[in-house]
Amino acid sequence: SQQGEEDPQALSIQEGENATMNCSYKTSINNLQWYRQNSGRGLVHLILIRSNEREKHSGRLRVTLDTSKKSSSLLITASRAADTASYFCATVNNAGNMLTFGGGTRLMVKP
Amino acid sequence: NAGVMQNPRHLVRRRGQEARLRCSPMKGHSHVYWYRQLPEEGLKFMVYLQKENIIDESGMPKERFSAEFPKEGPSILRIQQVVRGDSAAYFCASSAGQGATEAFFGQGTRLTVV
Repeated sequence: SQQGEEDPQALSIQEGENATMNCSYKTSINNLQWYRQNSGRGLVHLILIRSNEREKHSGRLRVTLDTSKKSSSLLITASRAADTASYFCATVNNAGNMLTFGGGTRLMVKP
Repeated sequence: NAGVMQNPRHLVRRRGQEARLRCSPMKGHSHVYWYRQLPEEGLKFMVYLQKENIIDESGMPKERFSAEFPKEGPSILRIQQVVRGDSAAYFCASSAGQGATEAFFGQGTRLTVV
């Protein structure tokens, strides 16, 4: 079964609003990564947060990690129509040798 | 420094034929992952390879599927005797380390079995 599970599965917001996506996982991790996928394209790495980190920022992205709850969230602030894509979380286990992905959150930002 | 290159981008095969999907990792990367994605779904892990070694193939069907990453040349995902259910997008990713660093993805190969 998939290690990471995102919710919601789909999210529709207006341009300028914030978008929050959540990811839950089951086993211990070394790090958690968020990726973005535009329709029909490959995945693009957004941000990596290590198991000993609680929060990370990158531009309009803010990621949190709660290892006690085995969950992470991705916040996109001041969303733009160009942010429309699917967003996936991926976990790397403590052996550091695998990426497992959840089913993704499909974000639509309406202009 | 070219990114991860997958070819072909689109592949059509008749049922029973063989499909060979190629992945050239980024320069200097010795770790390759293969994933399969159905429309509107997430990526399902298939196999993780380092040069000349299969590290984890727990996501790959035991029959008809095989993968290799030779010392020289690209990684190959091979599907023998394809069936309609094999139709999907197959993505390859490479990383420099053991997954503790970011992975770079190719554009995928879209396999259609007719």
